[in-house]
Amino acid sequence: EAGVVQSPRYKIIEKKQPVAFWCNPISGHNTLYWYRQNLGQGPELLIRYENEEAVDDSQLPKDRFSAERLKGVDSTLKIQPAELGDSAVYLCASSLSSLSKEQFFGPGTRLTVL
Amino acid sequence: AQSVSQHNHHVILSEAASLELGCNYSYGGTVNLFWYVQYPGQHLQLLLKYLSGDPLVKGIKGFEAEFIKSKFSFNLRKPSVQWSDTAEYFCAVNTGTASKLTFGTGTRLQVTL
Repeated sequence: EAGVVQSPRYKIIEKKQPVAFWCNPISGHNTLYWYRQNLGQGPELLIRYENEEAVDDSQLPKDRFSAERLKGVDSTLKIQPAELGDSAVYLCASSLSSLSKEQFFGPGTRLTVL
Repeated sequence: AQSVSQHNHHVILSEAASLELGCNYSYGGTVNLFWYVQYPGQHLQLLLKYLSGDPLVKGIKGFEAEFIKSKFSFNLRKPSVQWSDTAEYFCAVNTGTASKLTFGTGTRLQVTL
């Protein structure tokens, strides 16, 4: 069974540039999560999707961050414009449903903003 | 809001030494508790979880954890570590019906030969 796939694995951009991250969850998993992991910290939830609906985006900085999950499968997280403080690892995770307590994580995208 | 504390930020052990990593959470209601591990260059993987029932849970690779409700703790243990256990370990909690995971800051374990 394929795991959660993310791309790119690494991204280096200059501040004020836009950037996008892509996630393909495990087949059949209805719930998708985006987390941000700052250096030396644990992951923090940015947004959670149930199928194509964003049901918890309270931690998403909506002035510059946006996300979508068209058709309830793949998801894209975008930052525009990026700031120096956005440098982090962006993790995607999925679970069968919101009732399922186990989340499966992808390898993450390491973003460096110069 | 719930929070998770991992008091050991960096632990160095020799092979065959015993391991205990501390994890405390702050939430008074029903909790589900997890330990995730991240080996160098790899993604986060579930090590073990407590959902209900027996407070002593066993996970992969000889790890176990004990949920002590009165102490709000979920410490991770292994009787004899191996060099291959070198990794970062994260404790996480979700509460009741919520599916949001709250993570601790992680403990970096380094096992020397």
